[in-house]
Amino acid sequence: DAGITQSPRHKVTETGTPVTLRCHQTENHRYMYWYRQDPGHGLRLIHYSYGVKDTDKGEVSDGYSVSRSKTEDFLLTLESATSSQTSVYFCAISAGRAVGGYTFGSGTRLTVV
Amino acid sequence: AQTVTQSQPEMSVQEAETVTLSCTYDTSESDYYLFWYKQPPSRQMILVIRQEAYKQQNATENRFSVNFQKAAKSFSLKISDSQLGDAAMYFCAYLANTGNQFYFGTGTSLTVIP
Repeated sequence: DAGITQSPRHKVTETGTPVTLRCHQTENHRYMYWYRQDPGHGLRLIHYSYGVKDTDKGEVSDGYSVSRSKTEDFLLTLESATSSQTSVYFCAISAGRAVGGYTFGSGTRLTVV
Repeated sequence: AQTVTQSQPEMSVQEAETVTLSCTYDTSESDYYLFWYKQPPSRQMILVIRQEAYKQQNATENRFSVNFQKAAKSFSLKISDSQLGDAAMYFCAYLANTGNQFYFGTGTSLTVIP
């Protein structure tokens, strides 16, 4: 969607390797989120950020870390990828609760072999 | 944590007909928002419609409308005059006014039959 981009769009990596996914926004929104989407589970929150250097864990944060050094960038890192982390990863941004709704990136399909 | 339940993994509808997708949620909050998102095969998540819990009037966006039953914690999506382009996965989502984390249902895959 306009104003938010994710990279890469697809990635295949080997078990045990580190992987970093990038989310970049041009909307200057305060909140940024990382979700993973798996069949039968919908979207589940991994981590979110409510400002530069301010992050918090979601319900499925084990094995993931995040960083936000600038308002526009939110990075998701898999320190040592496992096959259970094969998924589609979505970044989302929000201006705040009162506005409501997220704007989503186009997703990254990550395959860990 | 709040839970959102979509009990229909798959639904189908004839083109030009009407279909209703179900969603229930569990919360102790009184002020919150509910959303329906559409995910076509392109994978892009698209906001379809949103409802504020304090509003009794059901939200409507063109062919899309909701039936919001706050006491029953039910939030169904009605698609009228279904079109081929409506074929997608549909997700129901909940957001408390006191939080900023969305909770999603597991999705309903809608097929539109020509």
